[in-house]
Amino acid sequence: GENVEQHPSTLSVQEGDSAVIKCTYSDSASNYFPWYKQELGKRPQLIIDIRSNVGEKKDQRIAVTLNKTAKHFSLHITETQPEDSAVYFCAASRNTGFQKLVFGTGTRLLVSP
Amino acid sequence: DTAVSQTPKYLVTQMGNDKSIKCEQNLGHDTMYWYKQDSKKFLKIMFSYNNKELIINETVPNRFSPKSPDKAHLNLHINSLELGDSAVYFCASSQSFRDRGTEAFFGQGTRLTVV
Repeated sequence: GENVEQHPSTLSVQEGDSAVIKCTYSDSASNYFPWYKQELGKRPQLIIDIRSNVGEKKDQRIAVTLNKTAKHFSLHITETQPEDSAVYFCAASRNTGFQKLVFGTGTRLLVSP
Repeated sequence: DTAVSQTPKYLVTQMGNDKSIKCEQNLGHDTMYWYKQDSKKFLKIMFSYNNKELIINETVPNRFSPKSPDKAHLNLHINSLELGDSAVYFCASSQSFRDRGTEAFFGQGTRLTVV
């Protein structure tokens, strides 16, 4: 079955710096790659997603890149702010209509003022 | 209006008890899920229902039994609770399409503590 590895497990940056989180997936049939942000005690919330027919997607300070050949995808956050501090999860899915999301192990991002 | 709502938010119970968690979504989605988040924050899918039909059933002890009375509701019943069942359980929903399901929306979670 699908396996998703995520690195790093923790990431500390200064406000204004960029942060990059990387994931690797094993199932070459996976075609949908969402990123979720989970604040302490809250629900996971989708921040950006990418499908396998696209190599890059941006939404303001957030971007995701996908390398299907290497089975890698990454989350890039620019100009980080303290409110970006949270746990970020990548996930992969064979999106055949149903979302059987396989999650990475999470990255705790801490943005210091 | 809360899109995916779970009750209760917190549940503390003794080993051996039977308990249920309820989930309702008002997004009009046809697919619902249960995920378990353990103490290390690892999120893993347990079950999924599409239009009241079980479509995903991961390797979960048969003490866990999901029930979907209609496509807006998915409940989780747990028999003979064990200490290792302590976790946060998240319900989620999405809308299926032929080959492009929508994003999964998560409920606020139910923190289950077995003592």
